[in-house]
Amino acid sequence: AQSVAQPEDQVNVAEGNPLTVKCTYSVSGNPYLFWYVQYPNRGLQFLLKYITGDNLVKGSYGFEAEFNKSQTSFHLKKPSALVSDSALYFCAVRDWSTNAGKSTFGDGTTLTVKP
Amino acid sequence: DGGITQSPKYLFRKEGQNVTLSCEQNLNHDAMYWYRQDPGQGLRLIYYSQIVNDFQKGDIAEGYSVSREKKESFPLTVTSAQKNPTAFYLCASKRGQGLADTQYFGPGTRLTVL
Repeated sequence: AQSVAQPEDQVNVAEGNPLTVKCTYSVSGNPYLFWYVQYPNRGLQFLLKYITGDNLVKGSYGFEAEFNKSQTSFHLKKPSALVSDSALYFCAVRDWSTNAGKSTFGDGTTLTVKP
Repeated sequence: DGGITQSPKYLFRKEGQNVTLSCEQNLNHDAMYWYRQDPGQGLRLIYYSQIVNDFQKGDIAEGYSVSREKKESFPLTVTSAQKNPTAFYLCASKRGQGLADTQYFGPGTRLTVL
C-alpha cells in the first residue's frame, strides 16, 4: 500500500525568504512523486514530478523538489518566496502496487507568504 | 484551448434530490477520475475510468454513480443515498495507465445541500 504525509498543516514565511513544504511517503516499490498547488476555489495545478534520475527536480514558477530515498521524502522548495505563492500545496505518490496509476494525496499544506 | 472543464461551478441541491456534475476533456486522455475534497482533508477518490465503457469504484463510491459513454466525458451523479454530499468535487484526467503520467485537474464544482 502507498501513503503520503504532509506533517505541517500550515507554513508561514516572509516574502523573499526561502520556503520548504515537507512531504514524506511510503511505498512498496519505486515511488512516483508529484506536487500540485491549489488556489481558492480552483482545481489543482501541476508543479513538478519525480520519476527517476536526478534527485533535484525543477518545476513551474521557480519551485523545485528534492527526492531523498533514504529519508523517503520529497520536500518542495523555493529560494525566494512571493506573496503570490500563498496557496494550498498537495504532495501525491504512486507506485507499482496500485491499479491504473492511482495517486494517493496528502492532506495538504497551506502556505502563507507575508509581505 | 485544451483542458478539462467542469460545470456548473456552483450547485445547490435539496435533500433527496439527485444531481449530475459534468466533466469534459479535450486532451484525448484515456483515464478520468473523480475526487471529493473536504476542508483539511486530501483528495479522496470516488470513481475512475481507464477507458471508455469501463469504470471502477474508488475509496468512497457509496452514494455516487458514473458513466463513461464517450472518451471525453465522465459525468458524476450524486444520489440521495450520499449522506453528506456537501463538498468540492474535482475531475481529473491523464493520458493512460502509466505511473509517470501527469494528472490534470478541472476547476471543480462546489456542491451545497440545502
